[in-house]
Amino acid sequence: EAGVAQSPRYKIIEKRQSVAFWCNPISGHATLYWYQQILGQGPKLLIQFQNNGVVDDSQLPKDRFSAERLKGVDSTLKIQPAKLEDSAVYLCASSLGPGRNNEKLFFGSGTQLSVL
Amino acid sequence: GNSVTQMEGPVTLSEEAFLTINCTYTATGYPSLFWYVQYPGEGLQLLLKATKADDKGSNKGFEATYRKETTSFHLEKGSVQVSDSAVYFCALSRGGGADGLTFGKGTHLIIQP
Repeated sequence: EAGVAQSPRYKIIEKRQSVAFWCNPISGHATLYWYQQILGQGPKLLIQFQNNGVVDDSQLPKDRFSAERLKGVDSTLKIQPAKLEDSAVYLCASSLGPGRNNEKLFFGSGTQLSVL
Repeated sequence: GNSVTQMEGPVTLSEEAFLTINCTYTATGYPSLFWYVQYPGEGLQLLLKATKADDKGSNKGFEATYRKETTSFHLEKGSVQVSDSAVYFCALSRGGGADGLTFGKGTHLIIQP
């Protein structure tokens, strides 16, 4: 079974530039998450999709971050403009969903973003 | 809201030593509890889970018991191996009708041969 795919693996940009990350979840998984993991901290949920609808985006900085999941499969997360404090690993995860099926998450390897 | 506190790392042990990584939580209702592990260069993966009080989750020689009275879910292993070196995250279900998980900060475990 193929896992959660993310790209790129690494990205280095200067502050005020824009960047986009891509995620392909496990086939058949209805729920998709984007997490931000700052060095030394645990993953923090940015946004959760159920199919192509947003379930929770309460911790997404909407003035600069946006995400979409067209057709309920792949997803992209964008930052525009980036700030120094956005340097982190951006993790995509998927789960069967909903309810208790959303407790076992499958994670991608993440995109490590460095903002200079 | 729900939150998780776990012991600071890194934790360095010799091979075959006994391991305990402490985890305590704050939650409303009756959350499920989890340990996820991140091996070097790999994504986070579920290690074990417990869904109600006094349940014991186990996998790969690791165990954790859901203790409601002490709001704890400590991870233990009787004899660690070099291959157990990884970052371990305690997590709980978000609750309040929300799906998904809230994670602790992670504990880096280093096993020396």
